[in-house]
Amino acid sequence: DAKTTQPPSMDCAEGRAANLPCNHSTISGNEYVYWYRQIHSQGPQYIIHGLKNNETNEMASLIITEDRKSSTLILPHATLRDTAVYYCIRPPSGNEKLTFGTGTRLTIIP
Amino acid sequence: DARVTQTPRHKVTEMGQEVTMRCQPILGHNTVFWYRQTMMQGLELLAYFRNRAPLDDSGMPKDRFSAEMPDATLATLKIQPSEPRDSAVYFCASGSTGWYQETQYFGPGTRLLVL
Repeated sequence: DAKTTQPPSMDCAEGRAANLPCNHSTISGNEYVYWYRQIHSQGPQYIIHGLKNNETNEMASLIITEDRKSSTLILPHATLRDTAVYYCIRPPSGNEKLTFGTGTRLTIIP
Repeated sequence: DARVTQTPRHKVTEMGQEVTMRCQPILGHNTVFWYRQTMMQGLELLAYFRNRAPLDDSGMPKDRFSAEMPDATLATLKIQPSEPRDSAVYFCASGSTGWYQETQYFGPGTRLLVL
């Protein structure tokens, strides 16, 4: 039972907003949602996290639905350097292990 | 610009040899994570330290893998003896709050190939 569900791949035109969805329908009230990305041949990079309010930083915006069952990461003006695998993760609970899943492979098209 | 550093960046070795990977967490961070990434399994958590004490190493094959933190500035992951199936990229990450529910800062990884 995956803790988060993401589409395997997406394309976005350069300069447009990239909207990456994540489903986390079983999230509990005190669990944050974290987003990381991994550019080819590099280590994962933290992007943003949130609990219930929408969040924005210099990299992206995170929109969390009111019921907290899903969220969307928004890269407002995508560049070619944003091509990467994007991971939406939740912390584990109980004896679960922290996993990154397979993420969404985002390709920015020139 | 504080970063996690890992050495070596690349390692090619023969089956049966000992492999030691090193990680220097960001100064002041008290949490260290070791991950392994392969095409088949993705990114897997191997071990997790808080304040130099191992809190969870259930992801590691105990018979051949060991992880330690000799001091607050050095974490090591050893494989002895190494096997071809250990070929992967090994990432170290550090954090400052001491739990899974925190921001992790990853190093560049050690690319291991066991022949």
